Amino acid sequence: SYVLTQPPSVSVAPGKTARITCGGNNIGSKSVHWYQQKPGQAPVLVVYDDSDRPSGIPERFSGSNSGNTATLTISRVEAGDEADYYCQVWDSSSDLSLVFGGGTKLTVL
Amino acid sequence: EVQLVESGGGLVQPGGSLRLSCAASGFTFSSYWMSWVRQAPGKGLEWVANIKQDGSEKYYVDSVKGRFTISRDNAKNSLYLQMNSLRAEDTAVYYCARDQKQHAHDYWGQGTLVTVSS
Repeated sequence: SYVLTQPPSVSVAPGKTARITCGGNNIGSKSVHWYQQKPGQAPVLVVYDDSDRPSGIPERFSGSNSGNTATLTISRVEAGDEADYYCQVWDSSSDLSLVFGGGTKLTVL
Repeated sequence: EVQLVESGGGLVQPGGSLRLSCAASGFTFSSYWMSWVRQAPGKGLEWVANIKQDGSEKYYVDSVKGRFTISRDNAKNSLYLQMNSLRAEDTAVYYCARDQKQHAHDYWGQGTLVTVSS
């Protein structure tokens, strides 16, 4: 089955740029979605189809996808961005399944 | 306003069964794929199953195949997850989610906790 690899943690100072990666075999050929989850809350979709933002999501959140790595970029990081972030793809190549990455804890210093 | 409200969670013994429900409102339920996603305590997200608009296609994560069944009733705007032969490792918060383009989950319920323990 398809595997997505995320770093367990990323730290960034307020006002700086955070980059969270999601690695997978030829992930650039797939559509990647990103979710933010704060403690005790349901996940929230922040980027879909590699780089599109749902309505209500700040422009500070952006995504890219190429080769074997997809990246979620959060510009001008705020304290309220501290959360767990998950990438996800729809793997239609074999088992027809949705796959999540293991998640990345973003800490705002 | 889109709303997804899960119910049916609780404590069940290993080997037991439970049926989760998700009541949908605020959108045309019959027009969307729907999914169940779970999260074990302190762990990451795991997709469990999804179902096509008319119920003609269903997909499952390997660990629940043959034990869980996803279904829907478009007349009642409801999604279900029948869980049989439950194991301790099925303990998790179970979320109902709407699938958008390329199966991005654009709306989620607040989740219902399933605890499998003797």
